[in-house]
Formats: sequence, C-alpha cells, structure tokens
Amino acid sequence: DAKTTQPTSMDCAEGRAANLPCNHSTISGNEYVYWYRQIHSQGPQYIIHGLKNNETNEMASLIITEDRKSSTLILPHATLRDTAVYYCIVRGNFGNEKLTFGTGTRLTIIP
Amino acid sequence: GAVVSQHPSWVICKSGTSVKIECRSLDFQATTMFWYRQFPKQSLMLMATSNEGSKATYEQGVEKDKFLINHASLTLSTLTVTSAHPEDSSFYICSARVVAGVWMETQYFGPGTRLLVL
Repeated sequence: DAKTTQPTSMDCAEGRAANLPCNHSTISGNEYVYWYRQIHSQGPQYIIHGLKNNETNEMASLIITEDRKSSTLILPHATLRDTAVYYCIVRGNFGNEKLTFGTGTRLTIIP
Repeated sequence: GAVVSQHPSWVICKSGTSVKIECRSLDFQATTMFWYRQFPKQSLMLMATSNEGSKATYEQGVEKDKFLINHASLTLSTLTVTSAHPEDSSFYICSARVVAGVWMETQYFGPGTRLLVL
C-alpha cells in the first residue's frame, strides 16, 4: 500500500518558489518524512527530512502540518537544474527500515 | 553530505556473462547498504539489503543466486549479476545508510550503473 500521495507532475517558473505537496494521512508517530529527488539518469539525491517540526537546509524547506498528515517541500528559488522527479517517502528511523519509492512528482522548471 | 560512488558507471556485456558492480562509501563507514534497480520510466525498486559481514536480505521475487551481494567491508558492497540476460538490462543504484554522526540517519545514493546486456 502506498504510504504517500503526490501529484504526478507540476510546472514552476524559473526563479519562483516551487511548492511540492505530499499527503501521508496514515503516518505513524515514529515515522519521518523524507524527500529525495532524481535528476534524469542519476541516482537519487537526498534533500531533507523531518519528524514534526519544520526543517530548512541549504536546498529546501520542509513544512509538516500539525497533524502530520501532509507536508510541503519548498524550493525557494527554482532553477532549471531543479527539474527532476521528487519523491516523498515516509519511513521509520530504526534499524534497517527501507526507503520505498513511489512514483513521485515530476517537476519541470520553465524558463 | 555523504558521498557514495559506483563503478562502473555503465557496462555492456554479452548474454551469459557475469557483471560485478561496486558501491563504495567514500567518507563514512556504512554497516548497511542497499541495492535498487530501476527500469525505464519506472520508480526505484529495492532488490536487497546488504549488511557488513553477514548475508544479504533479498526482497521478494529477487533471485539471490542470480544477484550475488557481498559486503565484506564497511565501505564496499558489490553486486554481481550472474549469467546476465537482456531482461537484466537496467539501471542499478546502491545506497549507503549513515547510522550516526553529523549527517544524522539517512541514506545516500550512488550515481548508478547502467547495464546493457546484448
């Protein structure tokens, strides 16, 4: 069963903020929300992860709703190099818990 | 962030031959590494979990005798595709789990190895 739901595709204008939503209504208390992206023909790149507080790093911000049932990844100033498939993954942080990739959101940055 | 390398980046081989792919964690030690496979226009599918010094754990439907995994050190895991056939042509990607330290606990992925079996 899919633990997350993401839109299949999105477009965003270059220089604007890209907001990628993710629903994870069945998330449990010990599960984190991870975001990865995969640029064409490359391995996935870790972006950010969080449990319940909003997180920010040099790449992006992660906003998690108070009930933890959804989150939004924000790329503040999208560039053409941000064109990729973005994966939202829910995963526990214990032992050998796996990252299970869904279909993700194909984000296209428009010049 | 942590760096994971793979070698080779691409390989072409004849049907029936075996191909070895290396996955290395360059600046950290990884007790656990993972192997994924990705077919065109599809998402990544986990093949197996590789633990240093022990046998790999394979996902359902993945033949352990065909995809041999060795994780002999804390920085190296290898995947050998034995008797490769055209249907094994795919993009193979490894990842390494960072268990502690500055980068917290997450997985970092290698750049992938594209295998084409003729």
